[in-house]
Amino acid sequence: KAGVTQTPRYLIKTRGQQVTLSCSPISGHRSVSWYQQTPGQGLQFLFEYFSETQRNKGNFPGRFSGRQFSNSRSEMNVSTLELGDSALYLCASSTTSGLNTGELFFGEGSRLTVL
Amino acid sequence: DQQVKQNSPSLSVQEGRISILNCDYTNSMFDYFLWYKKYPAEGPTFLISISSIKDKNEDGRFTVFLNKSAKHLSLHIVPSQPGDSAVYFCAASGSRGNTPLVFGKGTRLSVIA
Repeated sequence: KAGVTQTPRYLIKTRGQQVTLSCSPISGHRSVSWYQQTPGQGLQFLFEYFSETQRNKGNFPGRFSGRQFSNSRSEMNVSTLELGDSALYLCASSTTSGLNTGELFFGEGSRLTVL
Repeated sequence: DQQVKQNSPSLSVQEGRISILNCDYTNSMFDYFLWYKKYPAEGPTFLISISSIKDKNEDGRFTVFLNKSAKHLSLHIVPSQPGDSAVYFCAASGSRGNTPLVFGKGTRLSVIA
């Protein structure tokens, strides 16, 4: 069974640009969530999508957005990039909504560097 | 306000000895706890979990202990192996609501051969 696939793995952008990251969940998983990992803050929750609907949203500015398609694939977008957006962006999938049910399956992440 | 705290950024242990990773939480609504392990250039992988109705859960070399009154949990790895060297994240959630996992900042474990 293929795991969670994230693209691109690495990318470099400059301040003010925008970026779109993609995530393909494990087949059959309908919930996709996104986390930002930085050295100082650990993993911080961005948002969760289930059946194309955003079910939860973390405490991030409106520059961070996402969506989920009918095939459960998800994208997240960051507009007007800032230096502080440099981070590893992790996508995770699970079989059900409500991340409280436990196990998340993470992708390898997309490492974004903003110059 | 950090709801899940891992106060030790790093831990170094000799191979064969016990590794103890600690985690504290502040939200009394949390009642489900998980540990994830992360190697460099890989995503975190689920290791072990515990529900608040238990105080211990064991899976092979890994045991998680939960002390609800102290809002504290710990992960014990016995015996520690070099392949256990990774960053360990503690995570918590509340099962009574549709809440996301809240992660700690992680503890980097180094097992020295």
